[in-house]
Amino acid sequence: EAGVVQSPRYKIIEKKQPVAFWCNPISGHNTLYWYLQNLGQGPELLIRYENEEAVDDSQLPKDRFSAERLKGVDSTLKIQPAELGDSAVYLCASSRGDSSYEQYFGPGTRLTVT
Amino acid sequence: DQQVKQNSPSLSVQEGRISILNCDYTNSMFDYFLWYKKYPAEGPTFLISISSIKDKNEDGRFTVFLNKSAKHLSLHIVPSQPGDSAVYFCAARSYSSASKIIFGSGTRLSIRP
Repeated sequence: EAGVVQSPRYKIIEKKQPVAFWCNPISGHNTLYWYLQNLGQGPELLIRYENEEAVDDSQLPKDRFSAERLKGVDSTLKIQPAELGDSAVYLCASSRGDSSYEQYFGPGTRLTVT
Repeated sequence: DQQVKQNSPSLSVQEGRISILNCDYTNSMFDYFLWYKKYPAEGPTFLISISSIKDKNEDGRFTVFLNKSAKHLSLHIVPSQPGDSAVYFCAARSYSSASKIIFGSGTRLSIRP
C-alpha cells in the first residue's frame, strides 16, 4: 500500500510570509495527525483529526496556524504569518483508528524561515 | 514538563554486539509504550510496543523491557546490524488523554563495523 504523502518536502520562506503544507494519508486511515519536530527533539502533536473533525487541537497555536481536512481525506496545514521560530520539520501521520498507537508517518516538510 | 525522557542523545555499538537504548517516564497513566525508528529524511516508523501490564515483549532481534516500579523501559537489539543505525524514539500513549502519544527526544544509534 502507498504510504503517507507530504508536499512540499522542503520550503524556504521569509518571515511574515504565509506557507501551506499538504498531506495525503494512507487509504482507509480515518485518523490524521500533524506533528512538529524541532531539531534534536521528538515529534510533538499539533492537531488530530477523526475523519473531518479536529478532535484535539489543544497544541495548535491558533493565532497563526490553521488546518483543515476536507472530506476526511487530504489535509492542509497553514501558517500565516510565519516566524523565525517556526523553522522545523512538519510531519503528517495517519492511523486506522483513534486508539491506534501504530501511526504511519510521512517524510515530513522541512520549513526554513529566514 | 518532559513526560518521556531519553537521556542519551547518542550511542555507538560494534556490529554483532547488543544495543541497549533506555527511556524513563513520569506519567503513571500511560497504557502503552512504543519504540519508533527514524532514518534521515524519512518519517519515524513503528518498531515495537509493550502494554503496561506486561514486562517484556520480543520481536525477532528486538526486545522491549518494562519496569513499572522504576518507570523505566529499554530496547535491546541483538545482534546489532549496520541497518540498525538510526534515531530511536521512545514514546508512550495515555488513553486518558485522548490517545495522545508523547515522544522522547530520541537516541541516535550508530553501529560500527
